[in-house]
Amino acid sequence: GDSVTQMEGPVTLSEEAFLTINCTYTATGYPSLFWYVQYPGEGLQLLLKATKADDKGSNKGFEATYRKETTSFHLEKGSVQVSDSAVYFCALRSNDYKLSFGAGTTVTVRA
Amino acid sequence: DAGVIQSPRHEVTEMGQEVTLRCKPISGHDYLFWYRQTMMRGLELLIYFNNNVPIDDSGMPEDRFSAKMPNASFSTLKIQPSEPRDSAVYFCASSLAVPGRSDTQYFGPGTRLTVL
Repeated sequence: GDSVTQMEGPVTLSEEAFLTINCTYTATGYPSLFWYVQYPGEGLQLLLKATKADDKGSNKGFEATYRKETTSFHLEKGSVQVSDSAVYFCALRSNDYKLSFGAGTTVTVRA
Repeated sequence: DAGVIQSPRHEVTEMGQEVTLRCKPISGHDYLFWYRQTMMRGLELLIYFNNNVPIDDSGMPEDRFSAKMPNASFSTLKIQPSEPRDSAVYFCASSLAVPGRSDTQYFGPGTRLTVL
């Protein structure tokens, strides 16, 4: 079945550091890929998405490129802030409307 | 739009009691999803509806769990009887399916359930 594997955390960074969270997937067909973010005590919010190969999703300084050849959708941000501290989830949706989520990566950014 | 609304935000109950969680999806959305989040198992899809009809309930853990969607603007997830292992955060999400386009699921703030 469809599945997502993402980098285990926790990840601790200093402000202005570069962030990468790896995500790889297994799916039949051509899934859509998503990154969701969960801030403490809140629900999940869509951060960015990509619907086909080579698409780049971007939002709030975060980027991820849909790489079909490596079945990956790694999340990157060039300069993180304390406010980026959250749990990040990679997810995919294939032919039905269900999302398959990764385990989540906790990111803590220190001032 | 107010987004997905869930109530209550927090629920503390005793083992054996019935628990009802409520969700109001975003107006016009035709898909509704119930998820459970725990430290041990992460995010699990319990059930989802399309146009008020349950499509896939394979994630519902056991018969103690049931979900209904009597109309397009309201859904409930019921646990009867509740057990301590049901303690988790329960999320509701909704989406609008547009043919040929990726649909985004919008999540509610969740209900934190504690069963003593």
